[in-house]
Formats: sequence, C-alpha cells, structure tokens
Amino acid sequence: SQQGEEDPQALSIQEGENATMNCSYKTSINNLQWYRQNSGRGLVHLILIRSNEREKHSGRLRVTLDTSKKSSSLLITASRAADTASYFCATDETGANSKLTFGKGITLSVRP
Amino acid sequence: KAGVTQTPRYLIKTRGQQVTLSCSPISGHRSVSWYQQTPGQGLQFLFEYFSETQRNKGNFPGRFSGRQFSNSRSEMNVSTLELGDSALYLCASSPIGGDTQYFGPGTRLTVL
Repeated sequence: SQQGEEDPQALSIQEGENATMNCSYKTSINNLQWYRQNSGRGLVHLILIRSNEREKHSGRLRVTLDTSKKSSSLLITASRAADTASYFCATDETGANSKLTFGKGITLSVRP
Repeated sequence: KAGVTQTPRYLIKTRGQQVTLSCSPISGHRSVSWYQQTPGQGLQFLFEYFSETQRNKGNFPGRFSGRQFSNSRSEMNVSTLELGDSALYLCASSPIGGDTQYFGPGTRLTVL
C-alpha cells in the first residue's frame, strides 16, 4: 500500500525557477527519504531526514519535515533541465525494518 | 565503490514460465531489498534480506521468493508468471546500521 502521497502529481517550470514538491504520510516514521528516477531507471537517493529533524539542506536541495502534520516538502532551487525526472518520497516506518514505503511520485519537467 | 548491479537488465518471458533475477549489492553492504515498480501500483516492497535471512516481507503471493547468499548477493524468483508481473524490479542495498538504500538500475521484465 502507498504511504506517501506526493503533491502535485506533475510540475512544469522554467529553468532557473524553484520547484517545490510535497509529500504526506500516514504512520509514525523513523525517517523520510526523497529519491529521483530518470526515465524508468534506478532510483537515486537525494536526501534523508530523520523524524527528530525539521530541516535539512544538500546543495540545491532543501527538505523539511513536520511530523505533527505528517508531511514533508522538497525544494529544488535554481532548477536545471537536468532536474527533469520523477521524484518520490519514501518513508521508513517505525518497526518496518528496512522496508521503504513509496508514494506514487511527482513528474517534474524543467523547460530550458 | 561499484554500485548495485542487477542482471539481466531486460527479460522477456511468457505466461507460466519462471524467472530468476540477480542482484549484487555494494561491497560491504549486508542488507538487500527488492521492490516492484508498475505504472498502476507504483513502487512496492517485496522483501528484504540480511545475512542470508529474510527479515521483512511485503504483501505479494508465494510465487515471489528470494534468497541471499553468504557473499550478500541476492536472487529473486517468480514462478508461474502472469501478465501482471510485467514490471521494473529494483534491488537496493544498505550498509549495517545505515538507513539509506542504494538502488540498482533494475531489471525490466515483460511477460507475454
């Protein structure tokens, strides 16, 4: 079953703009992770935020986590055409022991 | 370090056949997880192995099975293939005590 629900389902922006993607989940988690997937290939890990963290940065990525609202957001700043991909949030539920539960993903298109 | 490798990358089978997919984790990683990705159901957890033991299992029928060898390499087997088994099968490995899962490129299985 899907745990994470991403919003929006699709996003189209111009190169240089910021992209914000949201994820909501339902249960208690150890951490939440964001992954990128290009054209049906393997998943690339972007960033992990633990349940006791509120915000994390990595290069042009900023992720926030609000455990009271069971939601997270991923911000990609100064987007590039190469950022065009599908983005997934995945939750590591408490007691789930290495099982990640993924949302359906967000398709991001960055126009040059 | 070399990343997670999966073989074969593409596979075409017919209904009723069985198939075995292979995954070699990143050197030193002992946990291997398998996921199925389809357009309709998205990414779904199949099972996870650690030190040759299945630690976690998703909600899939018994036709889906796996194993892990002493060198941490893992295989998954699907017997009596159905059309609905057509999917991208992804393998991921993670280090001891690590939360991040590193994914391979996947095996695309087509069942005719």
